[in-house]
Amino acid sequence: DIQMTQSPSSLSASVGDRVTITCRASQSISNYLNWYQQKPGKAPKLLIYDASSLQSGVPSTFSGSGSGTDFTLTVSSLQPEDFATYYCQQSYGIPFTFGPGTKVEIK
Amino acid sequence: QVQLQESGPGLVKASQTLSLLCTVSGGSISSAGYYWSWIRQHPGKGLEWIGYIYNSGSTQYNPSLKSRVSISVDTSKSQFSLKLTSVTAADTAVYYCARSLNKYYDPWGQGTLVTVSS
Repeated sequence: DIQMTQSPSSLSASVGDRVTITCRASQSISNYLNWYQQKPGKAPKLLIYDASSLQSGVPSTFSGSGSGTDFTLTVSSLQPEDFATYYCQQSYGIPFTFGPGTKVEIK
Repeated sequence: QVQLQESGPGLVKASQTLSLLCTVSGGSISSAGYYWSWIRQHPGKGLEWIGYIYNSGSTQYNPSLKSRVSISVDTSKSQFSLKLTSVTAADTAVYYCARSLNKYYDPWGQGTLVTVSS
């Protein structure tokens, strides 16, 4: 299985801050990397697919980059509604696996 | 706009079979290119991919669950289902159904909590 790791596991930030979350795969996955946002009690929501493509309806404050084994999700200006847990997911090989999540909290 | 809704028992006894349905509305479950997936989340934990089915009936499963899981589709009812046999407490989780295109998931159902009791 392809193992996904994320760092940090949690972070505290303020509204307006620039936030970067890192995801690393245990082997090269090309650009088959997706990002989701999950709020408490809700289903995950797709933000970014194929490493850098913004899902329709997602604010342009979100962006993704990377290829191979190292990827980043950046929120250019954190908004109150962005406080949530973020997961990466590889879609390169079965079983498709998710990272353990990064919780973004209000400072 | 496609919507998915999970349904099924919220409590299952250990050693029995967990059965869930996902009803698709607002779009066709037979649309080309889409895979219909199940994903679960253990309480307070991360996400685990269970498997998917294509409208042709072809399936892929997580090898860790493959011996116990089956996913089927009923296109006439716009539903697909999950069966997980011989459940234990480790199968207690929120179960989500989701549509996938190129193996990323959107949209998701709201999720349903299934508790395995002894």
